[in-house]
Amino acid sequence: DQQVKQNSPSLSVQEGRISILNCDYTNSMFDYFLWYKKYPAEGPTFLISISSIKDKNEDGRFTVFLNKSAKHLSLHIVPSQPGDSAVYFCAAKGTSYGKLTFGQGTILTVHP
Amino acid sequence: EAGVAQSPRYKIIEKRQSVAFWCNPISGHATLYWYQQILGQGPKLLIQFQNNGVVDDSQLPKDRFSAERLKGVDSTLKIQPAKLEDSAVYLCASSLEAGFNQPQHFGDGTRLSIL
Repeated sequence: DQQVKQNSPSLSVQEGRISILNCDYTNSMFDYFLWYKKYPAEGPTFLISISSIKDKNEDGRFTVFLNKSAKHLSLHIVPSQPGDSAVYFCAAKGTSYGKLTFGQGTILTVHP
Repeated sequence: EAGVAQSPRYKIIEKRQSVAFWCNPISGHATLYWYQQILGQGPKLLIQFQNNGVVDDSQLPKDRFSAERLKGVDSTLKIQPAKLEDSAVYLCASSLEAGFNQPQHFGDGTRLSIL
């Protein structure tokens, strides 16, 4: 039972344009959502998070949007840079102690 | 601030052998997690410690996997005996406290290959 899904295995965008990565979840008890970026042979690096009491959180070029009624969140990267090319994972935390449930990841490629 | 340290980075063993991984979390982080990441999937939680106590090990295959956290700091994860399906990257993460909305910080992982 996949509670967090990233339905796009890959995304390709041009440098300077917007990248939009999507994530859907099924468990209405999730209350905290995170995005991680992962380069090859490295561990996931925390990017940005959002609490379920908010619908938007912004940090520089990264913005996360949460639509609780649709059980959907998205990560916007503007403008996209070649260094953003990586695998992006969304993750969700429920009311239990800190346990994160991850999506399968989306490979983002930003072309110069 | 030093990150989460893991060793070894790579390990190759034959099936039915045993293997151990080590993790040193970020200083001051009370919560430590071990995840298994199979190729093409997201990380899956195996076990979570709060200080030196286990708070969630529901997805740990306890017939072959074991983990401990010594004195609430370092942790080891052991597999004995290993199966082919255990080939994966084993990630350690830590966070300040589990009950609050704190991000988890990951190490670079140990890539395990079973022959």
